[in-house]
Parts: sequence; structure tokens; C-alpha cells
Amino acid sequence: DIVVTQSPDSLAVSLGERATITCRSSQSVLYTSNNKNYLAWYQQKPGQPPRLLIYWASTRESGVPDRFSGSGSGTDFTLTINSLQAEDVATYYCQQYYGNPPPGPTFGGGTKVEIK
Amino acid sequence: EVQLVQSGAEVKKSGESLRISCKASGYNFDTYWIAWVRQMPGKGLEWMGNIYPGDSETRYSASFQGQVTMSADKSISTAYLHWSSLKASDTAMYFCARPRSFDSTGYYSYWGQGTLVTVSS
Repeated sequence: DIVVTQSPDSLAVSLGERATITCRSSQSVLYTSNNKNYLAWYQQKPGQPPRLLIYWASTRESGVPDRFSGSGSGTDFTLTINSLQAEDVATYYCQQYYGNPPPGPTFGGGTKVEIK
Repeated sequence: EVQLVQSGAEVKKSGESLRISCKASGYNFDTYWIAWVRQMPGKGLEWMGNIYPGDSETRYSASFQGQVTMSADKSISTAYLHWSSLKASDTAMYFCARPRSFDSTGYYSYWGQGTLVTVSS
């Protein structure tokens, strides 16, 4: 199974500053036949379901503010939140979806972003 | 508008059976996989498996194979997650989720609101 590891576990950032979360997969999630990275990012606020932010490692979901961006390829990925807003306080998860299940998609452990 | 509406919170005892539901609307239920995701208290997200309502094909994560059963009723656009004998360790929030597009099965744009299952020993 592909193991996905996020860092840090938590992060405190001042309003208006940048937050950077990293995600590493235990094997490449780049499918060479279509040159796509099978990696997504979600935001989850307390008491709510996750919200898809980014898919294919860097494609922003409709309606997601452009201060959220994803980058990386292969096994190493980054979610960047530029100019952090109060409403961005949440836990962020990366998820790989390479290959058909089983074993299926796997999520990182999450990164909690707070205001400093 | 795509919506996934889950059944309400449940409080059960160990050994009891349970079925929770996820009712879909706003799209052709038959042609999109529905996944189930577990979130234990204070913990992260775990993919349990998915079901294709068109033919009820199911795929389970190894961790959940044999522990739960997924099913779907096309006539009422509803997916189900069933336990035959609950354990205290099944206490968690359970989400259903639908992929962004019919040809993409792995990442999820649409989520139910979650069903909290509490199992006492």
C-alpha cells in the first residue's frame, strides 16, 4: 500500500503570511502514460466534511480561492496557502489515488493550521 | 445540485447490527462510484471502500474487508453501509463521498454531512 506522510503535524501562521504543508508518498503517484500526479488536497473544518481543494496535484477545484496552490511531482508535494485568512484555520489532508482499489486511496495524517 | 444526505447519528451496543444510509440527488446515481470514509474521534481520514450503484460492484480496503458491507438501491438513489456485529472500535464519524466526475474514481468533490456512530461496550 502507498503510505502518505504529511508534515508538519501542526502549523501556526500569522494572518496574511504564507503556510506551507508538505506531503510525501512512499512510492511515486505519477502515472507516466498521462503525466498526471494522482494526488489531492482537502480542507476540513471542525464538524464539517472534507472539502476538495486541489486534484491532479495542482488543479484547483472550482470555487477554491487562488491563494491555495498545489505543486510537486512523483513522491513530493506541497500545498501553499498564500496570505492566510482567518477562515483558513482548518486541518489539511493530502490523499493519493494512484491505481485501482484495492488497496484504494490513502490519506496523510493531516496538518492543523492555526493563527499565530 | 449534487447532494449526499446521510442518515442521523446512531448509538448502539457492541454486538448489535446497524445500517446507515447516504441518499444522493442531483445526478445519475447509477453512474458514479460512492465511497465510504471513516474518521475516528480526533483522528484522520480512512478510505473504507466504494460501490458502483450501476451493478453493485464493490471494492474494499483490506482493513475493512469482512468488517462492513456496502450496498446500494438504485430505485431510491441510496447507498448503505452495514455492520452485522458492531464493536466499540467502530465508534467514528462515517462519510459518504462521490468523485468529481464519472471517469475519476479517486478524489471526491461531493461529501455527505457525516453520520456519527457511537458503540458502547
